[in-house]
Amino acid sequence: DQQVKQNSPSLSVQEGRISILNCDYTNSMFDYFLWYKKYPAEGPTFLISISSIKDKNEDGRFTVFLNKSAKHLSLHIVPSQPGDSAVYFCAALKAAGNKLTFGGGTRVLVKP
Amino acid sequence: DTGVSQDPRHKITKRGQNVTFRCDPISEHNRLYWYRQTLGQGPEFLTYFQNEAQLEKSRLLSDRFSAERPKGSFSTLEIQRTEQGDSAMYLCASSFPGGRWGYTFGSGTRLTVV
Repeated sequence: DQQVKQNSPSLSVQEGRISILNCDYTNSMFDYFLWYKKYPAEGPTFLISISSIKDKNEDGRFTVFLNKSAKHLSLHIVPSQPGDSAVYFCAALKAAGNKLTFGGGTRVLVKP
Repeated sequence: DTGVSQDPRHKITKRGQNVTFRCDPISEHNRLYWYRQTLGQGPEFLTYFQNEAQLEKSRLLSDRFSAERPKGSFSTLEIQRTEQGDSAMYLCASSFPGGRWGYTFGSGTRLTVV
């Protein structure tokens, strides 16, 4: 069963505009949610995380929003830059298990 | 220490052959993870170690797969009698206990079984 889902496989956005990436999960036992960014031929790199007791976390151009009742989180990137073009993975973690469960990824293309 | 290193970066092997991959984690990290990623999918958990102890194995890890982490340092992942379905990117990551600050991933080993 796919506990973490990213329903949009790709997203195209103009430079300077906002990118919004969405993620849904089914397991209410997750304690943390993380976003990773992946360039081709590289491993995923950690971007930002949020605890399940929060509803927003911001780090520079990146903001993650969590809606626990809807089991939904989103990543906002504003303003989007061409260097943001990559695949973004949503991941979830149970503190006790320490194992990340990933979504399928969303490929973002930022056009100059 | 510049991060998590994986070797080799690419491996092409014939079906039925055995392959072994190596991962060198960040030295301060005592947890080490193996993930597998196929095209268009997110990474899938295979197994993880705390120091030298293998604490969890996914049901994805058939009996043809074995992982070790002798002395709690580097780790190896061996696949015996490879099948075409084993073709994937194998990712290694390391972390401190608690992982909520994020794992550090290596660049992966891309395996192609022909």
